[in-house]
Amino acid sequence: AQSVDQPDAHVTLSEGASLELRCSYSYSAAPYLFWYVQYPGQSLQFLLKYITGDTVVKGTKGFEAEFRKSNSSFNLKKSPAHWSDSAKYFCALEGSNTGANTGKLTFGHGTILRVHP
Amino acid sequence: DMKVTQMPRYLIKRMGENVLLECGQDMSHETMYWYRQDPGLGLQLIYISYDVDSNSEGDIPKGYRVSRKKREHFSLILDSAKTNQTSVYFCATPLSSYEQYFGPGTRLTVL
Repeated sequence: AQSVDQPDAHVTLSEGASLELRCSYSYSAAPYLFWYVQYPGQSLQFLLKYITGDTVVKGTKGFEAEFRKSNSSFNLKKSPAHWSDSAKYFCALEGSNTGANTGKLTFGHGTILRVHP
Repeated sequence: DMKVTQMPRYLIKRMGENVLLECGQDMSHETMYWYRQDPGLGLQLIYISYDVDSNSEGDIPKGYRVSRKKREHFSLILDSAKTNQTSVYFCATPLSSYEQYFGPGTRLTVL
């Protein structure tokens, strides 16, 4: 079984601060990890992915994430944060042993980020 | 630019009625997905289609069925809808390796 945990349902910070959204996963083999963002009233948009290789991956909108196998985490970071980053962020996992690129994603429950101007 | 469409965008049905949600994509991608999103939860995978008439259950298929007769179209069907199927439904297809592109969603209310 595989699972994704986003322990913070809400994160609030001021514009200009650094943001870090936490994600941990449980999976017995090498995971493929993703971050998606959902702006209010909109659909999900892809931010970034970790498949293999460099453990720090960069994505769109100035975001990056670090894969840490030692503690099964894939935290999303950005500095500085902007008020337009206010949205709901989802971490997701695809198990590598389910077959290449099956797209069977397991999502966390999401973190609502609010950035005060 | 790739486009994924969903129809209708909003739907209100009574319990016991049949529901048809439709998804279309313009890139002839083989794989398509149906998810549902409930408040406070992430997305849950209902069904995957790997091509025409090649469908596979996701994590929560109970109460749903799908149809894929053309590569561009993937339908989600609720036979005799239940109130607990009130949700936002998203269709998705791969934009590139590992990256999924989501449609705008259908908000379904079952009264």
